[in-house]
Amino acid sequence: GAVVSQHPSRVICKSGTSVKIECRSLDFQATTMFWYRQFPKQSLMLMATSNEGSKATYEQGVEKDKFLINHASLTLSTLTVTSAHPEDSSFYICSARGVDRDYGYTFGSGTRLTVV
Amino acid sequence: GESVGLHLPTLSVQEGDNSIINCAYSNSASDYFIWYKQESGKGPQFIIDIRSNMDKRQGQRVTVLLNKTVKHLSLQIAATQPGDSAVYFCAESIEGADGLTFGKGTHLIIQP
Repeated sequence: GAVVSQHPSRVICKSGTSVKIECRSLDFQATTMFWYRQFPKQSLMLMATSNEGSKATYEQGVEKDKFLINHASLTLSTLTVTSAHPEDSSFYICSARGVDRDYGYTFGSGTRLTVV
Repeated sequence: GESVGLHLPTLSVQEGDNSIINCAYSNSASDYFIWYKQESGKGPQFIIDIRSNMDKRQGQRVTVLLNKTVKHLSLQIAATQPGDSAVYFCAESIEGADGLTFGKGTHLIIQP
């Protein structure tokens, strides 16, 4: 089946530094990747949608200069949290979709970011 | 029983009983619905999906019911087991649109 690998699974960084999270589709080509954010005991909130080779589309209220998304290939998307602050601490989850929606949405295992 | 907390509603059921988790979706234009299971510290795991041209779909020990009239979705889990303990989310999407919109989620707790 479709597998999405997300790394790192957890990261602790100092306030003001940047952190990169990788999302890879291992056995299919992901034309579209999605990035979600989840606070404790809350639901997943879509942050942005990225299509391979195009600029990401950000949801309202998500700062594109803070959350840099790159989808340079059909199997890799990265989310970089720039100048991280403690309020950016959260669980970040990526999802990948193949050629069309019928291929389904496959989720990564998530990244727990803690900014100290 | 079921209770609604500050964020996640909780459903507590006895092991072996059937569980019914409900979800009210927001967009009448949504035509594809998915139920996900999320264990602590992990990403969502696909359980079952249904398209808007169907009212019911069954999987292994799970059944999804869709009522488009009242925009309601439910997930039934038969003979609930300890391993079913998790948070369950419904998600909706629209043909031609990207991304999923997730519901609030329900924390399913299995009592021994």
